[in-house]
Amino acid sequence: GAVVSQHPSWVICKSGTSVKIECRSLDFQATTMFWYRQFPKQSLMLMATSNEGSKATYEQGVEKDKFLINHASLTLSTLTVTSAHPEDSSFYICSARDAGQRTDTQYFGPGTRLTVL
Amino acid sequence: GQQVMQIPQYQHVQEGEDFTTYCNSSTTLSNIQWYKQRPGGHPVFLIQLVKSGEVKKQKRLTFQFGEAKKNSSLHITATQTTDVGTYFCAGLNTNAGKSTFGDGTTLTVKP
Repeated sequence: GAVVSQHPSWVICKSGTSVKIECRSLDFQATTMFWYRQFPKQSLMLMATSNEGSKATYEQGVEKDKFLINHASLTLSTLTVTSAHPEDSSFYICSARDAGQRTDTQYFGPGTRLTVL
Repeated sequence: GQQVMQIPQYQHVQEGEDFTTYCNSSTTLSNIQWYKQRPGGHPVFLIQLVKSGEVKKQKRLTFQFGEAKKNSSLHITATQTTDVGTYFCAGLNTNAGKSTFGDGTTLTVKP
C-alpha cells in the first residue's frame, strides 16, 4: 500500500517550453502533497505544499508563477514548470500524506528528472 | 526559520562495522522521521519517533529521539552492503506545519 507515482520519470525539453509533472497517490487519498527539488548529492528542498481544493503554499524564494501547482483531486497534484530554463534542470520529487492515517508519514514518488537544454 | 542539521555528511565503513548519523534541530520538534534513499532512487520512509526519549528498533537499526525532542540518531549495527544509501532525518514543527529535511548522511560500505 501507500504507493505514489510520478509521470513522466524523465523529460528533456527546450528552453522556454513548459513541462507538467503529475503526482498520483494510487491506493490512498492525499489531501496534502509536497513538491521537492533535489540537486545531485544534496538534500530535499521543499518547494511548496499542495492542498486539495485550495491554493498551494510556496516556500520562500520559490516563484509561484513559474512553478504552478494544481491539486484538483484527492489523488492528483500537478507541477508545471513554466518557461523552463537550464537552471531549472533538477530532480523533482513529490510526496503525499495519507488522509486516512493519523500520521505525518510522507510517501514519496519515484521522482522526475528534468533536463532543460 | 527551522533548521535541521545532520552529521556526518559522508561515512565510509568496512562491512561489519557500526554506523551512526545524528540529527539536530534548532527548534523543538513534534516528531522526527527517518528516510533512506538508495543511489538513483527516491526516499523511502523508515520510521517515525514522537515521544521524548523514544527508542525504536528495526532489526539492526536503532532510532532514538532526544529528551528535549530536538535531536535524534540512527545507529546501524554490523553494516551490510545493502545498507548503502543516504539517510535523511525530517523534523516536523507543528507550528510551521511542515517537515524540514536534514542534509542527509551518505553511507558507503566496503565489502
